[in-house]
Amino acid sequence: GNSVTQMEGPVTLSEEAFLTINCTYTATGYPSLFWYVQYPGEGLQLLLKATKADDKGSNKGFEATYRKETTSFHLEKGSVQVSDSAVYFCALSDRQAGTALIFGKGTTLSVSS
Amino acid sequence: GAGVSQSPSNKVTEKGKDVELRCDPISGHTALYWYRQSLGQGLEFLIYFQGNSAPDKSGLPSDRFSAERTGGSVSTLTIQRTQQEDSAVYLCASSLAGGTSVETQYFGPGTRLLVL
Repeated sequence: GNSVTQMEGPVTLSEEAFLTINCTYTATGYPSLFWYVQYPGEGLQLLLKATKADDKGSNKGFEATYRKETTSFHLEKGSVQVSDSAVYFCALSDRQAGTALIFGKGTTLSVSS
Repeated sequence: GAGVSQSPSNKVTEKGKDVELRCDPISGHTALYWYRQSLGQGLEFLIYFQGNSAPDKSGLPSDRFSAERTGGSVSTLTIQRTQQEDSAVYLCASSLAGGTSVETQYFGPGTRLLVL
């Protein structure tokens, strides 16, 4: 079945450090890939997405590239800020398996000044 | 515009009681999803409604869980005879049309359920 695996947290960084959160997936069809973010005390919101191989999603300085050959969708940011502290979820949606999102376990990012 | 809203925001109940959770999707969105977020299981899909089609109930964990969507808009998730393992945050999401994997799902703030 379809699944998403993302690196365990927590990830603790200093402000302006480089961020990578690894995400790999297993899917029977051709999924769309998403990163959602949950800031403290807030609901889930879409950070970025990519719908086909080699697409790059980007938003708020975050980027992720859909790599079909490595079944990966790693999240990166060149210089994190304290305000980026949140829980990040990688997810996929596969039309062949229904359109519900399948989520990874989430990675907690803590950025200190 | 208004986002997805859910009520109540918090619910405390006793084991064995029934609870109803409500979701108001974004106006005009025909697809509606329920998920559950718990410490042990992460984020899990529960049920999906798309327009007037029969719902996809494949994620419901037991027959104590049911949901309905009236008039293609508001949805209610009902948990009968609640158990302590039902304690979680119940999230509702909606998307414009459903039926594809490329659409963005917009999430509500969730209902935090605690079963004592």
